[in-house]
Amino acid sequence: GAGVSQTPSNKVTEKGKYVELRCDPISGHTALYWYRQSLGQGPEFLIYFQGTGAADDSGLPNDRFFAVRPEGSVSTLKIQRTERGDSAVYLCASSKRGAGSGELFFGEGSRLTVL
Amino acid sequence: AQTVTQSQPEMSVQEAETVTLSCTYDTSENNYYLFWYKQPPSRQMILVIRQEAYKQQNATENRFSVNFQKAAKSFSLKISDSQLGDTAMYFCAFMLKQGGSEKLVFGKGMKLTVNP
Repeated sequence: GAGVSQTPSNKVTEKGKYVELRCDPISGHTALYWYRQSLGQGPEFLIYFQGTGAADDSGLPNDRFFAVRPEGSVSTLKIQRTERGDSAVYLCASSKRGAGSGELFFGEGSRLTVL
Repeated sequence: AQTVTQSQPEMSVQEAETVTLSCTYDTSENNYYLFWYKQPPSRQMILVIRQEAYKQQNATENRFSVNFQKAAKSFSLKISDSQLGDTAMYFCAFMLKQGGSEKLVFGKGMKLTVNP
């Protein structure tokens, strides 16, 4: 597609459940980022992929969070045993080579609500 | 640690007027990039303007310009001839390069309302 696509747009789940959030970046963009935005805050970095590999996963808050990008295109953010504190908007962004060399293109995010 | 501070949580301006959004940052690096992003209610972050730290000339994009003061670590955004469509959250961001990683560090944001 023309832009970064994220699904689902909204997800409501119960505490303890497993969720997957999907990001489809702009075609040809090798860099992909996941950010988490809590209410009233700026986006916080979670993980950065360059191609298929995670070049930096230092922002993942704990081992319940995991992300993959097996073919260097679509990425999935996986959250196990969800907690109420995981409620946030999860933003995905892609770039041709990385933030410093060009613009990051963001999707509209997936709003996760954990009841 | 790299930090970005936006001290004004909210501002309002009349249509056609000029408004300035402030941002300060902290870094020990010499070469870096600074950005202003806009986030309307659709949640999609949209790049407004970018500044490369090694360039002394302030960046300009149509009605948007920055005042980049490297020594003071200040990076303010000026919006001229404000339009109703400028109403949004605005985030200042710093691009951090460490090893093989590149990532944006964002401020907490500022809500701008343009009134008719």
